[in-house]
Amino acid sequence: DQQVKQNSPSLSVQEGRISILNCDYTNSMFDYFLWYKKYPAEGPTFLISISSIKDKNEDGRFTVFLNKSAKHLSLHIVPSQPGDSAVYFCAASNSGSNYKLTFGKGTLLTVNP
Amino acid sequence: EPEVTQTPSHQVTQMGQEVILRCVPISNHLYFYWYRQILGQKVEFLVSFYNNEISEKSEIFDDQFSVERPDGSNFTLKIRSTKLEDSAMYFCASLRDRAYEQYFGPGTRLTVT
Repeated sequence: DQQVKQNSPSLSVQEGRISILNCDYTNSMFDYFLWYKKYPAEGPTFLISISSIKDKNEDGRFTVFLNKSAKHLSLHIVPSQPGDSAVYFCAASNSGSNYKLTFGKGTLLTVNP
Repeated sequence: EPEVTQTPSHQVTQMGQEVILRCVPISNHLYFYWYRQILGQKVEFLVSFYNNEISEKSEIFDDQFSVERPDGSNFTLKIRSTKLEDSAMYFCASLRDRAYEQYFGPGTRLTVT
């Protein structure tokens, strides 16, 4: 039962270019979406989020886009830096379900110098 | 900056033994969670805790699992009789009121032999 899907297990980009990470969801009850970054042997670190009533949220180099009709969101990182190399998890939440997070499987981003 | 802490970082135990994983959430947060990540798989929700009681639990969280907030700062996960398949990273997370962004601890690696 994959309510949140990240279909690309890995992505490799050159430093300075744009990284685009994608996420799809199936549960229309989700009302908030989050991206977490995770390094090996560490916990997930909150990166950026978006409410279901918006279609874009920007924070510095990071922008998240939400297409509700397609049940799709994406994370754009511009410009990509080697320090961005990590696993990125898409997560979804529903305020009616105690705000628990449902995670995708993650995408390993590698930014090459 | 306040952070969620977890101890121990690594716990090795024999099958059938009891383990207690400890967490200190961020002090003004009201919602507390446990998640786990089996190697190579996605982060999975186990249980949420609010107002001194379990608010939601997953199918994974069976009678072998329990949670407690014994004082104003600690939040513990107990596994009564560990199985091999309990081997995973266990993450504690906390959430303040009127927010969606959960903050995660660094995790406890549980190895059941």
